[in-house]
Amino acid sequence: DGGITQSPKYLFRKEGQNVTLSCEQNLNHDAMYWYRQDPGQGLRLIYYSQIVNDFQKGDIAEGYSVSREKKESFPLTVTSAQKNPTAFYLCASSTPGHLGDGYTFGSGTRLTVV
Amino acid sequence: DAKTTQPPSMDCAEGRAANLPCNHSTISGNEYVYWYRQIHSQGPQYIIHGLKNNETNEMASLIITEDRKSSTLILPHATLRDTAVYYCIVRPGGSNYKLTFGKGTLLTVNP
Repeated sequence: DGGITQSPKYLFRKEGQNVTLSCEQNLNHDAMYWYRQDPGQGLRLIYYSQIVNDFQKGDIAEGYSVSREKKESFPLTVTSAQKNPTAFYLCASSTPGHLGDGYTFGSGTRLTVV
Repeated sequence: DAKTTQPPSMDCAEGRAANLPCNHSTISGNEYVYWYRQIHSQGPQYIIHGLKNNETNEMASLIITEDRKSSTLILPHATLRDTAVYYCIVRPGGSNYKLTFGKGTLLTVNP
């Protein structure tokens, strides 16, 4: 079955360390997105990419970096510059004509920084 | 993008219809209404979308008022597994537009 795989499901890191969250999709979708969710809150857009080798900042890009070297992959690095990195991170993808140009989401990675 | 207003929480009895309202009074003519839901600690799941006509699929029905200023998502026979946060989103059609998620409505289905 096609889908989006985020790994790992749970991730623990020490404060000051960079950490990279994986997102892989085999849906052949053009666009990919990273969202952050804090308890009781909606989703906030971090970065998005509409084509390979191109990406744009979302609403809360500071302290994060991404790359899009392959259509299938959109890894997110949480750097030490991110002041409050503990959160639930969600990756999504979309392509024209699928789900009304809506998103397919992965199951998320819960990052805890201690 | 137009903003949406949803009640923060609702309850529904198992087996009954769940009707989730959404106000989007500033919606533009080219903006679609999307509904997603998020079960605890999972990624959001697409439910349905529409422009102005009522829509139905295997999961739910979407009723959009004639003036398009509000809509209702209907789960015809709610089950305990339908307990989730439901998000109503409006945005222009086309994959270049980002989806903006608010806080949604927490639907609790009770036995």
